[in-house]
Amino acid sequence: AQRVTQPEKLLSVFKGAPVELKCNYSYSGSPELFWYVQYSRQRLQLLLRHISRESIKGFTADLNKGETSFHLKKPFAQEEDSAMYYCAYRGSTLGRLYFGRGTQLTVWP
Amino acid sequence: GAGVSQSPSNKVTEKGKDVELRCDPISGHTALYWYRQSLGQGLEFLIYFQGNSAPDKSGLPSDRFSAERTGGSVSTLTIQRTQQEDSAVYLCASSLGPQETQYFGPGTRLLVL
Repeated sequence: AQRVTQPEKLLSVFKGAPVELKCNYSYSGSPELFWYVQYSRQRLQLLLRHISRESIKGFTADLNKGETSFHLKKPFAQEEDSAMYYCAYRGSTLGRLYFGRGTQLTVWP
Repeated sequence: GAGVSQSPSNKVTEKGKDVELRCDPISGHTALYWYRQSLGQGLEFLIYFQGNSAPDKSGLPSDRFSAERTGGSVSTLTIQRTQQEDSAVYLCASSLGPQETQYFGPGTRLLVL
């Protein structure tokens, strides 16, 4: 069963426009949520984790337990934000992450 | 410092052959993970090591897949009698502990002809 859903496989916006990458999860407990990013020809790297409640590269994400969502937002997209973004969660099982299928974000100049 | 490294970076093999993929985690990281990234499938968990033991190997897709970790460091993922559906990018990650941030390697791109 798909535990993390990223409904958009592809997302395109123009530079300076707001962007929101959607993520919904199915887990009844208290998961830990993450956003990972993979830039072209680079390795997968952590962008955000919800427990940190910090903003990285202008991105923020708020965990909404009622809607079981963890959407990633940025008010003004930049060309260098173009990348593949993966939402992931870690539940009660130690260690392993459950990933969504990813959203390819393209920011046009 | 050095990140997670994996070798080889690319591997082309013939169906039915065995392959070994290697992962060198970040020094001091006790937890090590293998994931598989297939086209259109996202990242699938394969196996998790804590030290040299594997408390979670539930993601291994078949008994053709096995992994070991020695000395609490290097790990090897072995795929026996490879099939075309095994073609994917195999990613290794390590973390200080099971609840810490996972750092990923560059991956091994496996192509089974």
